[in-house]
Amino acid sequence: EAQVTQNPRYLITVTGKKLTVTCSQNMNHEYMSWYRQDPGLGLRQIYYSMNVEVTDKGDVPEGYKVSRKEKRNFPLILESPSPNQTSLYFCASSLSTGVANVLTFGAGSRLTVL
Amino acid sequence: GQQVMQIPQYQHVQEGEDFTTYCNSSTTLSNIQWYKQRPGGHPVFLIQLVKSGEVKKQKRLTFQFGEAKKNSSLHITATQTTDVGTYFCAGIEAGGTSYGKLTFGQGTILTVHP
Repeated sequence: EAQVTQNPRYLITVTGKKLTVTCSQNMNHEYMSWYRQDPGLGLRQIYYSMNVEVTDKGDVPEGYKVSRKEKRNFPLILESPSPNQTSLYFCASSLSTGVANVLTFGAGSRLTVL
Repeated sequence: GQQVMQIPQYQHVQEGEDFTTYCNSSTTLSNIQWYKQRPGGHPVFLIQLVKSGEVKKQKRLTFQFGEAKKNSSLHITATQTTDVGTYFCAGIEAGGTSYGKLTFGQGTILTVHP
């Protein structure tokens, strides 16, 4: 089944404890992206990647890192999480960019930072 | 930068009533997409509009793209409880220097009372 898989789905952590949210897609998509969803703010892009080894900042990149060493994987790293990073995170992928940029989303990862 | 505004933020309707959400962009769009997120779920692609003045229908859902390609609407006729969720529009700026980034609106949360 074509899908985007995120882990963990739920996580409670404490301020400053490094964590990684993994994202993997099995559709051979070139483009991958991370979003955070907060009430009233919609989906805001954190980072995106247009292909292997090519990543760039989205609208809210502060406090996050990403890497794209393989086409299928795009982990989101929080080096030193803070309470304002408590949010619902979505990984998404698409075949390409531009008009073909129809996103397939993962199930989401709900992160709480105490 | 490009902004996509979506109204209303919330809409409560009785089952059988119609529902409309509106999406307005600060810049001309090359295309617009609509996604639906069920409660507790992830955004799922509904449709993409590309042409000025385009109208597309999916059963009880009617999607319109404005003549100036700066606004769009989603209309649901005779809502059902299965329509509950958050509806997002997302647009790609026309002629932008970016790679074809999708900018999401804040979403409209629809609740349907049986």
